[in-house]
Amino acid sequence: ETGVTQSPTHLIKTRGQQVTLRCSSQSGHNTVSWYQQALGQGPQFIFQYYREEENGRGNFPPRFSGLQFPNYSSELNVNALELDDSALYLCASSFGVNTEAFFGQGTRLTVV
Amino acid sequence: GIQVEQSPPDLILQEGANSTLRCNFSDSVNNLQWFHQNPWGQLINLFYIPSGTKQNGRLSATTVATERYSLLYISSSQTTDSGVYFCAVLGARGSQGNLIFGKGTKLSVKP
Repeated sequence: ETGVTQSPTHLIKTRGQQVTLRCSSQSGHNTVSWYQQALGQGPQFIFQYYREEENGRGNFPPRFSGLQFPNYSSELNVNALELDDSALYLCASSFGVNTEAFFGQGTRLTVV
Repeated sequence: GIQVEQSPPDLILQEGANSTLRCNFSDSVNNLQWFHQNPWGQLINLFYIPSGTKQNGRLSATTVATERYSLLYISSSQTTDSGVYFCAVLGARGSQGNLIFGKGTKLSVKP
């Protein structure tokens, strides 16, 4: 059984650029959630996808967008990067929206 | 929305000591999970425990849903237990399916 994998692990971008982060869900899981974790804080919910549809969204601006593919993998896209977008981005997968969530190793994004 | 508070925020232990971490939440929950975040940032699942008691080796957890708290016990701590422990809940009311995290307890175990 393959766990949740994220790519890339580290990324450096310039303010104003766009970035795409990728997540492969655990085998058998159909729900993917994305979280942003700033240094010294707990993860904050960005959005969730269930069976390719957005199922909920946290308090993040529209320049944060996502997709879920038929194989339940997912992408997080961030446009017009700002310095405050520098954070660890975590992806979690689960079977359904109210079950145990499993996290990937994260993508550490630095915006300079 | 639901609030999650963890205590203590920081904890320093000598190797071999026992500890109890607490998580209080402000409303009914459908899901409660404990995680250990390793130095590389990955959240490792410790327990999925919306209610009741579970044990896994030196770790155990208890959730009393009616009183809105959960406890994580670490016995005979080891240096490898160091890191940040997070409690996260899924609210039973008005939830979008997302976990709400506390601010974490930073544990340092000294040899």
